[in-house]
Amino acid sequence: DAMVIQNPRYQVTQFGKPVTLSCSQTLNHNVMYWYQQKSSQAPKLLFHYYDKDFNNEADTPDNFQSRRPNTSFCFLDIRSPGLGDAAMYLCATEEGGLKFNEQFFGPGTRLTVL
Amino acid sequence: GQNIDQPTEMTATEGAIVQINCTYQTSGFNGLFWYQQHAGEAPTFLSYNVLDGLEEKGRFSSFLSRSKGYSYLLLKELQMKDSASYLCAVRPGANNLFFGTGTRLTVIP
Repeated sequence: DAMVIQNPRYQVTQFGKPVTLSCSQTLNHNVMYWYQQKSSQAPKLLFHYYDKDFNNEADTPDNFQSRRPNTSFCFLDIRSPGLGDAAMYLCATEEGGLKFNEQFFGPGTRLTVL
Repeated sequence: GQNIDQPTEMTATEGAIVQINCTYQTSGFNGLFWYQQHAGEAPTFLSYNVLDGLEEKGRFSSFLSRSKGYSYLLLKELQMKDSASYLCAVRPGANNLFFGTGTRLTVIP
């Protein structure tokens, strides 16, 4: 059973053309994360939501925005993609409130910028 | 700031034991995680340590020494399917994870 779903799995966009990636979850977890992972690099946290509270990492560019309209869905908006934004974007969820909880990752969306 | 060091690549033989080391320096510490990531796929959780010592889970064990900023992942009875990247990650705060670049393990027959 799919638990963290990301659509689309592959996304191609043009330089400067806004793009939205989506993530949904069936786990009812209150924390949702967006990571960027470039080839052979570590996943880098962009931001996360704890319920409706948005937490931005200090070094996340303004070009990246996020929306969480409800518990199940979270969106990553890239306002003006550059060539350097080509990467795998991973969504993850976690049941908050405890120090230890496993993060469940979606399959990722691979973004190509032409 | 945060820093995590892991070997970039390792090779081991099917049926053998391999130890993947991780050293870290973080501003805070709320636990250390190990994830497995096959090429082109999402990371999957392997283990979690918050207290010093060894946690065992089947063929996988993970060790933590907080005073040394050191952890290792031990994989026993290696199988070909264990070929993957192994990511060490630290939770510095309440809800964030800081990942290392991962160790690419190749299991050979």
